[in-house]
Amino acid sequence: EPEVTQTPSHQVTQMGQEVILRCVPISNHLYFYWYRQILGQKVEFLVSFYNNEISEKSEIFDDQFSVERPDGSNFTLKIRSTKLEDSAMYFCASGQGDTEAFFGQGTRLTVV
Amino acid sequence: GQQLNQSPQSMFIQEGEDVSMNCTSSSIFNTWLWYKQDPGEGPVLLIALYKAGELTSNGRLTAQFGITRKDSFLNISASIPSDVGIYFCAGPNPDTSYGKLTFGQGTILTVHP
Repeated sequence: EPEVTQTPSHQVTQMGQEVILRCVPISNHLYFYWYRQILGQKVEFLVSFYNNEISEKSEIFDDQFSVERPDGSNFTLKIRSTKLEDSAMYFCASGQGDTEAFFGQGTRLTVV
Repeated sequence: GQQLNQSPQSMFIQEGEDVSMNCTSSSIFNTWLWYKQDPGEGPVLLIALYKAGELTSNGRLTAQFGITRKDSFLNISASIPSDVGIYFCAGPNPDTSYGKLTFGQGTILTVHP
């Protein structure tokens, strides 16, 4: 069964460093998303991406964050200068339409 | 913004028991989704509901889309140990397109063998 895959599974980074989280969405999907989940809390929307551009973003998704679909298969989330409070699980998701989303297994980001 | 409230927050049950949990919203949703999350994993879509009043099953799971479009419930029959996890309801924001999902805070299910 097709699935969303994310790499790395765990990333440890120094505060102030840039990180890039990578995702390969399900191949025939058109909508792509990043969500995050701080430990013990609910899943929060960060950004949606459709037709090669950001379609919506939350207030969490400030200028430190950017997304890119550099080729036909990858979808990346870049955090330019990480802060301690960016530590969380980051989930990539994709969907054929805009009413449901299939999630990857997540990248655990730890900022030290 | 959109808020989804799930209850109960946690449940401790014996294997074989049935489970019921629900999700309510102050505003209307046009789609309700139920996800399960195992520790350290991403949410897995269990059931999607698209129409008010719809009742949908997936094995031992049954979910319903409330008539008012402001609530949904999920039932698990004859629970087994692997049902342990966090169950989230979610829905796309009806005021926007592009699939921004709002999640509830989750119901933590523990099943004792």
